Amino acid sequence: DAGVIQSPRHEVTEMGQEVTLRCKPISGHNSLFWYRQTMMRGLELLIYFNNNVPIDDSGMPEDRFSAKMPNASFSTLKIQPSEPRDSAVYFCASSFTSGGTDTQYFGPGTRLTVL
Amino acid sequence: AQSVTQLGSHVSVSEGALVLLRCNYSSSVPPYLFWYVQYPNQGLQLLLKYTSAATLVKGINGFEAEFKKSETSFHLTKPSAHMSDAAEYFCAVSDLSTNAGKSTFGDGTTLTVKP
Repeated sequence: DAGVIQSPRHEVTEMGQEVTLRCKPISGHNSLFWYRQTMMRGLELLIYFNNNVPIDDSGMPEDRFSAKMPNASFSTLKIQPSEPRDSAVYFCASSFTSGGTDTQYFGPGTRLTVL
Repeated sequence: AQSVTQLGSHVSVSEGALVLLRCNYSSSVPPYLFWYVQYPNQGLQLLLKYTSAATLVKGINGFEAEFKKSETSFHLTKPSAHMSDAAEYFCAVSDLSTNAGKSTFGDGTTLTVKP
């Protein structure tokens, strides 16, 4: 299996631009998670989906952030407009939900820099 | 609500010395507990997990952890540190009531191994 695939791996953009991060979960997994990691705030859960349905988006910092999962094999995290404080590494993870014992499989991350 | 507390954000050991990373959990129901490792510029990957079977859990790379209900702890140990163990380690908790496989992660402990 190729594992969780994220693209792009690196993104440099200017403040005010729209940024779209992409994730392909492991085939057969039914839960998908988006995290943000910074030195200051550590690892933060932004939103997660189960069977393509958003379950909890309480970690999304503000309305500039949105996430979609149109099908079981693809998800996007969009930031519009982007700001320098959004600079971070964004991870996507997937799992097969089986009553709480699920292992989350993380992608390699997208390092976002907003100038 | 579930939570984990990792005691010590930074731990430094000499090569060959015992590694001990501490994790205490809080959960109102029997927990499932995980240790993940993050190597530089990579996503998190599972080291080991406790799912209510044996209380001493063995993982990859010589790591093990013991579930102690009386102490609400799940400390990670390795008898002899290698340089390649230098990484950030995250403890996480979930349970049967967890919605869609969500785990709650600790703040992480950075392990430095000195030659």
